[in-house]
Amino acid sequence: SQTIHQWPATLVQPVGSPLSLECTVEGTSNPNLYWYRQAAGRGLQLLFYSVGIGQISSEVPQNLSASRPQDRQFILSSKKLLLSDSGFYLCASWSSGNTEAFFGQGTRLTVV
Amino acid sequence: RKEVEQDPGPFNVPEGATVAFNCTYSNSASQSFFWYRQDCRKEPKLLMSVYSSGNEDGRFTAQLNRASQYISLLIRDSKLSDSATYLCVVNPEVYNFNKFYFGSGTKLNVKP
Repeated sequence: SQTIHQWPATLVQPVGSPLSLECTVEGTSNPNLYWYRQAAGRGLQLLFYSVGIGQISSEVPQNLSASRPQDRQFILSSKKLLLSDSGFYLCASWSSGNTEAFFGQGTRLTVV
Repeated sequence: RKEVEQDPGPFNVPEGATVAFNCTYSNSASQSFFWYRQDCRKEPKLLMSVYSSGNEDGRFTAQLNRASQYISLLIRDSKLSDSATYLCVVNPEVYNFNKFYFGSGTKLNVKP
């Protein structure tokens, strides 16, 4: 099965600072990759998904961007964080032949 | 309208009780449905897929009602360890798995 590595696990950043969260996948090739955000007490909101290197689709307009420089690497970025960017960020991977999406352990971001 | 909607709960039930959650979806062409379980401050993990004919896994039964566009999860003989948030997941795509939409989750508290 797939293993999703996400780091860091916890992050506290000041408003206006940049952000870079990284996700790497093991155990598969050419996966679909996803970034979700979960605000406190809320469900998962799909932010971005990617079907291949350099291919990014954005679900909602926001202060964030995503990139996929390699097949199994997905990066979430921001140039200037807002307070509203706080939340639990989850990277997920789905590959053809699997019935489920696998998740990383998440990054808990607090913008102060 | 949201792709997937769930009653947030919480559902507070005693051990041994039977509890059921429903989840409605907006895209009638949706083909794939799942229930995920999320423990506090952890990543979601697949509980079970939902098949058209319904499926059962031990104390858990999932059903799909296409006419009314909802899926359900029934938990029998609730255990303390069942306490978690249950997320309904829908893939609205017909021929690919580019998107997984999550409901906001239903919180279950099983009391002694």
